[in-house]
Amino acid sequence: EPEVTQTPSHQVTQMGQEVILRCVPISNHLYFYWYRQILGQKVEFLVSFYNNEISEKSEIFDDQFSVERPDGSNFTLKIRSTKLEDSAMYFCASTEEGTGGYTFGSGTRLTVV
Amino acid sequence: QQQVKQSPQSLIVQKGGISIINCAYENTAFDYFPWYQQFPGKGPALLIAIRPDVSEKKEGRFTISFNKSAKQFSLHIMDSQPGDSATYFCAASTSGGSYIPTFGRGTSLIVHP
Repeated sequence: EPEVTQTPSHQVTQMGQEVILRCVPISNHLYFYWYRQILGQKVEFLVSFYNNEISEKSEIFDDQFSVERPDGSNFTLKIRSTKLEDSAMYFCASTEEGTGGYTFGSGTRLTVV
Repeated sequence: QQQVKQSPQSLIVQKGGISIINCAYENTAFDYFPWYQQFPGKGPALLIAIRPDVSEKKEGRFTISFNKSAKQFSLHIMDSQPGDSATYFCAASTSGGSYIPTFGRGTSLIVHP
């Protein structure tokens, strides 16, 4: 069964540093998403991406965050100047038609120290 | 308006019992209601979903009951098994928009052998 692949599985970074989280969506999917989940809390939408541009973003997704699809397979989330409160699980997801039924990756656990 | 309220926060059931998780929403524009299952260290996985034109949807041991007038929907897991132990998230989204779901806070289900 096709999977969404995320790397790394765990990243520890110093406060103020920049991190890049990487995702390889399912190959025939056209819509890509980033979500985050603070430990023990609900899954929160960050941003959606379609046709090489952001289609929707939440209040969480401020200037600290950016997304990019640098090539035909990777989808990245960059977090600049990380803060302690950025510590969370970050999930990438993709869908074929953008009509629900997301496939999520296994996540990257980001720990900011 | 955008919230999805999920209860209970945690649930312990004996093997063979019925697990019931409830969700309520306020936004009447929501018209797609998926349930996700998340095992530790993994991303959420789509379990079952319903649209408001039906009151019930069943897939194997999993059933969604939907009450449009009450703006409530629930997940029933029949003959619960230890392998069902996971966190379950309800969600809601609008097909007229981008289908980006609003998640509930999750229910941690433990099924004792």
